[in-house]
Amino acid sequence: SQQGEEDPQALSIQEGENATMNCSYKTSINNLQWYRQNSGRGLVHLILIRSNEREKHSGRLRVTLDTSKKSSSLLITASRAADTASYFCATDEGGSNYKLTFGKGTLLTVNP
Amino acid sequence: DAGVTQSPTHLIKTRGQHVTLRCSPISGHKSVSWYQQVLGQGPQFIFQYYEKEERGRGNFPDRFSARQFPNYSSELNVNALLLGDSALYLCASSKDSINEKLFFGSGTQLSVL
Repeated sequence: SQQGEEDPQALSIQEGENATMNCSYKTSINNLQWYRQNSGRGLVHLILIRSNEREKHSGRLRVTLDTSKKSSSLLITASRAADTASYFCATDEGGSNYKLTFGKGTLLTVNP
Repeated sequence: DAGVTQSPTHLIKTRGQHVTLRCSPISGHKSVSWYQQVLGQGPQFIFQYYEKEERGRGNFPDRFSARQFPNYSSELNVNALLLGDSALYLCASSKDSINEKLFFGSGTQLSVL
């Protein structure tokens, strides 16, 4: 089953603009992670935010988490063509300590 | 250090056949997880192994099985292949069993004809 649902499904922006992707989930979690996937190959871990955190930064990435709304957002500032990829949120659905449940992803295209 | 390596990168099989996919985790990582990713969807959890023991299994039929070896490498086996098994199979490793940061391989693209 897919826990996280990303919104929008696809996003196209110009280089230098900011990109915001949203993720909603259904059950309680201990943490939420964001991953990037280039061209349908392996995923790369970007950032993890715990359920007791509201905001986290890493370089040009900013993640927020609202556990009352069961939602998270990923902001990429000053986007670059190299940021073109699919972005997935992943949760430890129900506090599972052995699996991650991924959403369907947002396809981000950054035009030069 | 080498990342997670998977073999083969591509595979074409026919319905009813059997397939074995292989994964070598990052050195020092004791946990290996397998995910299936169908085109246009997010990865779906199949198995996690930690210290050679199965810690969890996703909602997949018994045709799917896996194991982890003493050197922490892993195999995913799929019997009696169906057309719907066509997907990208991803292996991920982590230092421990908690899954707070997974390192993924580039995957095996399986096509079932």
